[in-house]
Amino acid sequence: AQKITQTQPGMFVQEKEAVTLDCTYDTSDPSYGLFWYKQPSSGEMIFLIYQGSYDQQNATEGRYSLNFQKARKSANLVISASQLGDSAMYFCAMRDGNDMRFGAGTRLTVKP
Amino acid sequence: EAQVTQNPRYLITVTGKKLTVTCSQNMNHEYMSWYRQDPGLGLRQIYYSMNVEVTDKGDVPEGYKVSRKEKRNFPLILESPSPNQTSLYFCASRGGVWLGETQYFGPGTRLLVL
Repeated sequence: AQKITQTQPGMFVQEKEAVTLDCTYDTSDPSYGLFWYKQPSSGEMIFLIYQGSYDQQNATEGRYSLNFQKARKSANLVISASQLGDSAMYFCAMRDGNDMRFGAGTRLTVKP
Repeated sequence: EAQVTQNPRYLITVTGKKLTVTCSQNMNHEYMSWYRQDPGLGLRQIYYSMNVEVTDKGDVPEGYKVSRKEKRNFPLILESPSPNQTSLYFCASRGGVWLGETQYFGPGTRLLVL
């Protein structure tokens, strides 16, 4: 069964600095997709970025980039130039068929 | 506006009192699913549906039922709620089978079972 691991329950970052949120995954399927979602204190799930297992380049979306290391089975989220509004829970997720499974999440706090 | 709606948003109930959380999407999506979110565990899938009248168990289906009689609706039924079902519940939908297909989430339903 697939498994998603986020080893950082909480992270702190200074405003305007970059931060990396770790995610490792495990699957035997060669075809899969990796996702990151943001959950602010209001509770909604906000899609941030997607990386396909066959994509040659790392995905980027504005200040978000995904550091995809296939051999290591890691898909770390990099947030550049952190803003106070980035304070939230962040979830890594993977889909390798019909199911999408999520990691336990990392709570990011941006300090002014 | 494309969206997934859930009702109610907040619910306090007592053990054993049957309840239903509704979920509806207006995007003509075939795939719908239910998750529960608990601290330290992330989101875990309860049930999913590939299309009308097609449902299947996720990782934590015990104590829950679902139905998919119409494409747009996917209600979650707790026949006899227990305190360990206190959680934040999300309904989600997506349109296609492409792995990168965006999954749309509802706003969540906070359930407290006393």
